[in-house]
Amino acid sequence: GQNIDQPTEMTATEGAIVQINCTYQTSGFNGLFWYQQHAGEAPTFLSYNVLDGLEEKGRFSSFLSRSKGYSYLLLKELQMKDSASYLCAVMDSNYQLIWGAGTKLIIKP
Amino acid sequence: ETGVTQTPRHLVMGMTNKKSLKCEQHLGHNAMYWYKQSAKKPLELMFVYNFKEQTENNSVPSRFSPECPNSSHLFLHLHTLQPEDSALYLCASSQDLGTGVVTVTGELFFGEGSRLTVL
Repeated sequence: GQNIDQPTEMTATEGAIVQINCTYQTSGFNGLFWYQQHAGEAPTFLSYNVLDGLEEKGRFSSFLSRSKGYSYLLLKELQMKDSASYLCAVMDSNYQLIWGAGTKLIIKP
Repeated sequence: ETGVTQTPRHLVMGMTNKKSLKCEQHLGHNAMYWYKQSAKKPLELMFVYNFKEQTENNSVPSRFSPECPNSSHLFLHLHTLQPEDSALYLCASSQDLGTGVVTVTGELFFGEGSRLTVL
């Protein structure tokens, strides 16, 4: 079966760095997405990786290793507003999006 | 106007009621989706519409009935629901990047969801 694994919950301190991991086993691969979802709000797109390596976008970076079935989202200089759930999703060979259950990130002062 | 608008934001209904969820997108996208989001579970894709044609129905019970009258509007008609159907229902839109039968999802733009409680 197809599976996406990510930690259920993480806690980090304001101003610090946190890495949220995502591992996947899917039928084929056509890219990996990260979305952010604040409580009671819509998920919003953060990043898309289809080639190996690191993609940087401001304080957020996303890394992909296709051979390891692994990605991470790196958040630097954490702010209280970064408290949210982070959703990992992989597009398989049939262009279906397979979603993880999300990682709830709690930022403490 | 925000990109994807859903109404109502909250809905409480009994198991014998009939209600509808509405979604409207102002982004000019050609694909629209219904997702179910339950606590601590992955998003579950329910239905996909591409240029008003339903391209996917992921074994959703018939008590959920979608309707897509045009590429900007999407409805989810609800009838004789069960308590386990209580969840957040998210509508999304995207530009289909494919050229064939399969919808190739680009970046998804989500609405804020309709929180459904079935008593």
